[in-house]
Amino acid sequence: EDKVVQSPLSLVVHEGDTVTLNCSYEVTNFRSLLWYKQEKKAPTFLFMLTSSGIEKKSGRLSSILDKKELFSILNITATQTGDSAIYLCAVGSRDNYGQNFVFGPGTRLSVLP
Amino acid sequence: ETGVTQSPTHLIKTRGQQVTLRCSSQSGHNTVSWYQQALGQGPQFIFQYYREEENGRGNFPPRFSGLQFPNYSSELNVNALELDDSALYLCASSLAQNNEKLFFGSGTQLSVL
Repeated sequence: EDKVVQSPLSLVVHEGDTVTLNCSYEVTNFRSLLWYKQEKKAPTFLFMLTSSGIEKKSGRLSSILDKKELFSILNITATQTGDSAIYLCAVGSRDNYGQNFVFGPGTRLSVLP
Repeated sequence: ETGVTQSPTHLIKTRGQQVTLRCSSQSGHNTVSWYQQALGQGPQFIFQYYREEENGRGNFPPRFSGLQFPNYSSELNVNALELDDSALYLCASSLAQNNEKLFFGSGTQLSVL
């Protein structure tokens, strides 16, 4: 059965700290790995990764995928209180029937002033 | 904001009833998928629709069904509601059938009493 595991499940840091969030997966017919930020209800898109070893960056956030070891990390440098949210990792795959998406449980990040 | 709109925002039903949730996709997006997010968990993939046909389904029973209309909007129908169906139901649209970059709506919070 396809699964996505995230660690840690919860993290409390202070403003200015750097954090690394982990995502590992076991998925058949992998197509892509995605990171989302969920503050209230609607998850917002951060990154989509399809190739190993290529870092994607957006401001203080960056992410990389290792398809051989089946994991990805999301880094946030110089954290701010506005980074407090749940960070979701999801893997997209495709089988004979069609698309499938598997989400991890999320990492709840709290950034204290 | 993504341009994906869902209605209603909140809904209270009793066990055994039926419910219909609605979603309007972002302009230009022809693919819609639905997710169930229980409290404290990551979203679970219910199914995806492309050009009015289901083209991917997660591990949900047949009482969860859907429709996509020619304007790409979508409905999620749940029959014979159970207490465990209480959750946030998220809709996401994407540009194409094989594009995993999802844009989420703010969800419908369903409570089953």
